[in-house]
Amino acid sequence: EAQVTQNPRYLITVTGKKLTVTCSQNMNHEYMSWYRQDPGLGLRQIYYSMNVEVTDKGDVPEGYKVSRKEKRNFPLILESPSPNQTSLYFCASSPGQGTYGYTFGSGTRLTVV
Amino acid sequence: AQSVAQPEDQVNVAEGNPLTVKCTYSVSGNPYLFWYVQYPNRGLQFLLKYITGDNLVKGSYGFEAEFNKSQTSFHLKKPSALVSDSALYFCAVRDILNNFNKFYFGSGTKLNVKP
Repeated sequence: EAQVTQNPRYLITVTGKKLTVTCSQNMNHEYMSWYRQDPGLGLRQIYYSMNVEVTDKGDVPEGYKVSRKEKRNFPLILESPSPNQTSLYFCASSPGQGTYGYTFGSGTRLTVV
Repeated sequence: AQSVAQPEDQVNVAEGNPLTVKCTYSVSGNPYLFWYVQYPNRGLQFLLKYITGDNLVKGSYGFEAEFNKSQTSFHLKKPSALVSDSALYFCAVRDILNNFNKFYFGSGTKLNVKP
C-alpha cells in the first residue's frame, strides 16, 4: 500500500531533550515536506526537500532540522524542544511535478513540557 | 504574495441539505488547486484538484468544486450532506510559477453536519 509513515504518533517530552520524528514514504516521491498544524493557523510548512541532499526552509523553520540522505526518509529533528513546539506535525510527499497533490502521513502529536 | 483564504472557520448544515465550503486564492499565473479533508486523529486526505479544463471538478465521496477564475475562488460543494462528512476541510494552491513545488494551505473550515 502506498503510504507515508510517521513515528511516533504521540510523544510527550521535556524541554531541551533532543528528539527525532521519523517519516518514510514508499512511493519513490522526490518531494517531501514537514508541516505543523495549530488551531486557527492551519498548516505551516517547516522544511521541504526536493530530492536527496536537497532541503530548504519553509515558513517556520526555527528550532527544527531535517536531513534527506535517502529518497524515502525525511526525519524531523528538534535539537532542543521548547513548549511552543507543542503541535501536531505532518509529513507529506509528492512526485516532483506540480500537477500532483500531497500524500500525508497520519500525524505526530508532540507535547513539550 | 501567494495565499489561500477560507473565510469561514465553521460551516453548519443539516443532513440532506447542500453544502458549500468557500475558498479564495491569490497566486501568480495559473493555479493548481486542491481540497483535502481531515477526519479526527487522521492525516489529510486528498479530495479533488483543479489543474485545467472544465471548471467543475468532481472528487471523492460525492464532493465537487467549482473553479472561478474571475473571482479567484475554488468553492467545495456537495448536493446532499451526510453526517459522516463532518470533518476539517483545507483548500490548497500549488504555486507553479514562482516556486514549483510549494503548497499554500488555507486555515481550514470545520464542517458540522447535523442529523
